[in-house]
Parts: sequence; structure tokens; C-alpha cells
Amino acid sequence: AQSVTQLDSHVSVSEGTPVLLRCNYSSSYSPSLFWYVQHPNKGLQLLLKYTSAATLVKGINGFEAEFKKSETSFHLTKPSAHMSDAAEYFCVILFNKFYFGSGTKLNVKP
Amino acid sequence: DGGITQSPKYLFRKEGQNVTLSCEQNLNHDAMYWYRQDPGQGLRLIYYSQIVNDFQKGDIAEGYSVSREKKESFPLTVTSAQKNPTAFYLCASSLKPNTEAFFGQGTRLTVV
Repeated sequence: AQSVTQLDSHVSVSEGTPVLLRCNYSSSYSPSLFWYVQHPNKGLQLLLKYTSAATLVKGINGFEAEFKKSETSFHLTKPSAHMSDAAEYFCVILFNKFYFGSGTKLNVKP
Repeated sequence: DGGITQSPKYLFRKEGQNVTLSCEQNLNHDAMYWYRQDPGQGLRLIYYSQIVNDFQKGDIAEGYSVSREKKESFPLTVTSAQKNPTAFYLCASSLKPNTEAFFGQGTRLTVV
């Protein structure tokens, strides 16, 4: 069975400090993995994707994620948070269908 | 510009009425999807279509119907049978069924 767990429903950081949003997955096979961002009342925008190439994936807006098969994790990071990063982030796996995590709301304090 | 267009952005419906949400894409994608988003519940799949004139039920299809008569269009009808229709509805498409999805801007439906 496939599933996605986002370990934190809310994360709060100060502007300029690092961001870490955690995602663990369960899959019997090697799925494709994605991070999407959603700003209030907007659709989801693709941040980055992992499709079995390099394990460190770089995305838009300075975000990156590392695929760790041994830990079944795909955590999203950014070295320095910006106020515009405040949004909800979804970790998603794709194996025949999309499986969405429940989301992590990122708050960035000035 | 290529993309997915959902309309309207906001929609109000009286109880007992059917309402249709529009989703159009000009990306030449084969697959299209409808999701429902409620606070704290992530996204739940309502219906999906992998090819024109074919669609399948997702996890929460009861009270909804769809059609896929054209490749670029995948309208969703919320019927009076849907007990709790107030939600944010997202349409998505992907080039092929097992490739990344691209999302529209959503329609917020409120039953009054």
C-alpha cells in the first residue's frame, strides 16, 4: 500500500533562517515523489520532483529535497526563508495514482 | 499561455440544486482529475479521466458526476445528492496518467 505522512502540520520559522518540512512515504515500489506549494485560495504549484535520477533534487524558489530510500523520506529544505514562502506545502507520491500528504503550513515571521 | 482554467472562482448554490464546475486545459494532456480539498484533510480524488470518453470514480465520487467529451474539457457536476458540498475544488491534468500533475486555481463552492 502507498501512503504519505507529513510529520508536521505547522512549521514556524523566522525570515532568513532555514526551512525543513518533513515527509515520509510508504511504498512497495519506487514511486515518483513531488512537493507542491499552495498559497491561500490558489491551486497547487509544482516545486520539485524526484523520478529516480539524482537523489538531491533542486526546485524553484531555492527549495530542494533529498530522496533517502533507506529512510523512506523526502524532506523539503531551503537555506533561508523568505516572507513569500509562507504557504501550505504538500508532499505527493505517484504510483498509478497520486497520494497526497495532509499538508504542512509554513509560517514565516519577520 | 498554456494552462488549466477553472471557472468560476467562487460559486454559491442553494441546497437541492445541481451545479457544474468548469475545467479547461490547453496543454494537450491526456489525463484530467478532480479533487476536493477540505481544511486539514489534504486532497481527495473525486473522478479522473485518462482518455477522452472514459472516466473512473475516485475515492469520494458519490454525489458527483463528470463527462469527458473533449480532450481539453472535464466538467464536474455537484448534484443535490452530495450531502456536504461546501469545499474547495481543484482540477488537474497530466500529460499521461503517470506523470506530474498541473493544477488549476480552484473553485470555492459554498452551499447557502
